[in-house]
Amino acid sequence: QVQLVESGGGVVQPGTSLRLSCAASGFTFSHSAMHWVRQAPGRGLEWVALISYDGTYKYYPDSVKGRFTISRDNSKNTLYLQMNSLRTEDTAVYYCARGNNDGAFDIWGQGTMITVSS
Amino acid sequence: DIVMTQTPLSSPVTLGQSASISCRSSQSLVHTDGNTYLTWLHQRPGQPPRLLIYKISNRFSGVPDRFSGSGAGTDFTLKISRVEADDVGVYYCMQGTQFPLTFGGGTKVEIK
Repeated sequence: QVQLVESGGGVVQPGTSLRLSCAASGFTFSHSAMHWVRQAPGRGLEWVALISYDGTYKYYPDSVKGRFTISRDNSKNTLYLQMNSLRTEDTAVYYCARGNNDGAFDIWGQGTMITVSS
Repeated sequence: DIVMTQTPLSSPVTLGQSASISCRSSQSLVHTDGNTYLTWLHQRPGQPPRLLIYKISNRFSGVPDRFSGSGAGTDFTLKISRVEADDVGVYYCMQGTQFPLTFGGGTKVEIK
């Protein structure tokens, strides 16, 4: 069964750090580019990070560049998002998603909620 | 950054009728490789998004042919024919041509 399962969410204070994980199964993870996408409560979707299949290339939007780091462990079929210097505006559901060769996100996890609040 | 603008914000539709959603990009979405990476996604309440259409008009596996995508350059349209109750939710367009990847603001489809 093709599946992505995120974990690591919770309530944290501004300025602190958190690491999210995304466990993949049912497809060849090591051949797949992977993304993180977030959705603030009641808002739309925002792309957060991309990592190439082998971890060589990583891309971020300006809103998280320098604070967030995407990584992967292909031996564990797991994707990560290290989030530092968290801000209240980072509060959102964080989804991991597979990027296919057609520029689309074809597999999505159920998401994990991050609340940044003092 | 490429700005994606969707209209309308909300689309009340009668069951069995059609709905049409427009998506405009602030720049051409034609990639240097010749492809246009315009995607449509559907998100039901409380659920993650799911892929409907990729590269303007290609239906993803399992998506009914009631969903169709069209357009070119900067103007794109998603049409839902014979709307069913299960089609409610928010529809997003997304461009994968240029970093940062960006989404439209979403169009909420609801049944009248």
